[in-house]
Amino acid sequence: NAGVTQTPKFRVLKTGQSMTLLCAQDMNHEYMYWYRQDPGMGLRLIHYSVGEGTTAKGEVPDGYNVSRLKKQNFLLGLESAAPSQTSVYFCASSYRAGGHNEQFFGPGTRLTVL
Amino acid sequence: AQSVAQPEDQVNVAEGNPLTVKCTYSVSGNPYLFWYVQYPNRGLQFLLKYITGDNLVKGSYGFEAEFNKSQTSFHLKKPSALVSDSALYFCAVTLGGYQKVTFGTGTKLQVIP
Repeated sequence: NAGVTQTPKFRVLKTGQSMTLLCAQDMNHEYMYWYRQDPGMGLRLIHYSVGEGTTAKGEVPDGYNVSRLKKQNFLLGLESAAPSQTSVYFCASSYRAGGHNEQFFGPGTRLTVL
Repeated sequence: AQSVAQPEDQVNVAEGNPLTVKCTYSVSGNPYLFWYVQYPNRGLQFLLKYITGDNLVKGSYGFEAEFNKSQTSFHLKKPSALVSDSALYFCAVTLGGYQKVTFGTGTKLQVIP
């Protein structure tokens, strides 16, 4: 049982380049989330998904897109990277959203945009 | 709007001493409260949660937290700190049903040998 995995672990992009971050979970969780973590700002929700084929915006969605074609996978895309998107990105999943269900986090992807 | 405050960026405690990491929250309704821990270069790990019932919640690794509704607080505690407890700790709050989870900015705990 691998839990939540993220690919890649590190990435360096030039401004304007695009990339996709992959998140996979093997716990059959309905809900999945993408966060970014910046110093002094805690975790901020980018996008989330309440089930296969559905996605919604979080607090800081601009510049990102997501897709959930399969229940176990949640992809985060950057179409045209900007230095402001330099951050550590975490994917998480939970059995259901909110309520009493804790979230399970992946190990993170450290992205640098030059 | 819901919010979480962790008033201390860093807490230093000597090994073997009790530790407290503070968290206060603001929500319109009955909160669900969580503590997570993050070790260097790792994702967050769930420690404990308060849903309802007993105000004292026990979690992993000997940690506990006390829910205080009148003070809107949910402080994390441990009777005897270990060097291995050194990490970044996040408090989080949400409401029932689907509501997004709001995380605090984190408190770095440093346990000194």
